Amino acid sequence: DAKTTQPTSMDCAEGRAANLPCNHSTISGNEYVYWYRQIHSQGPQYIIHGLKNNETNEMASLIITEDRKSSTLILPHATLRDTAVYYCIVRTQGAQKLVFGQGTRLTINP
Amino acid sequence: DAGVIQSPRHEVTEMGQEVTLRCKPISGHNSLFWYRQTMMRGLELLIYFNNNVPIDDSGMPEDRFSAKMPNASFSTLKIQPSEPRDSAVYFCASSLGGNTIYFGEGSWLTVV
Repeated sequence: DAKTTQPTSMDCAEGRAANLPCNHSTISGNEYVYWYRQIHSQGPQYIIHGLKNNETNEMASLIITEDRKSSTLILPHATLRDTAVYYCIVRTQGAQKLVFGQGTRLTINP
Repeated sequence: DAGVIQSPRHEVTEMGQEVTLRCKPISGHNSLFWYRQTMMRGLELLIYFNNNVPIDDSGMPEDRFSAKMPNASFSTLKIQPSEPRDSAVYFCASSLGGNTIYFGEGSWLTVV
């Protein structure tokens, strides 16, 4: 699976959109981009995933560039409860396991 | 719906004792994963099963660690004998094939 690069930490004001970038320049055509987050003392929580097209669900939006070498996770109206470590993971289609990197520690400030 | 259920949530044990962590995957899921998380190494995959069969155990640190999945609704991760460096949070996760993986809340292990 392709490696990902994320900033170590980010801050965002409560109520604003949080935009978390991820670089995956070596991604292959059959590799998906997955996002998970881990709130302190809890297990990793699935957020969203995509292949080529932008995706949106009740939690977030995922914007993937046309060349697929980078993506952005958007939390449209961040709340204090969104403070967590966010992991961007590239996973081969049909592959079973997930390999986690270090993620981005997002802090939402009041 | 019930998610992945792990027990115990917290365990403190003495060095040399046997530790058994338990996991009940989401009903209908056929893949099960054991991860370990420490400050130094982050989240590491230890082993995963597909249809109750171990597929990849390359992440199991050493022979003191063993995992079993006797049926589709139960798995154990055993450490014998335990050592202080085994202190970590152990997560179990499950999925249906290559679909989204869902995690339990973890078992916090402290070996003193």
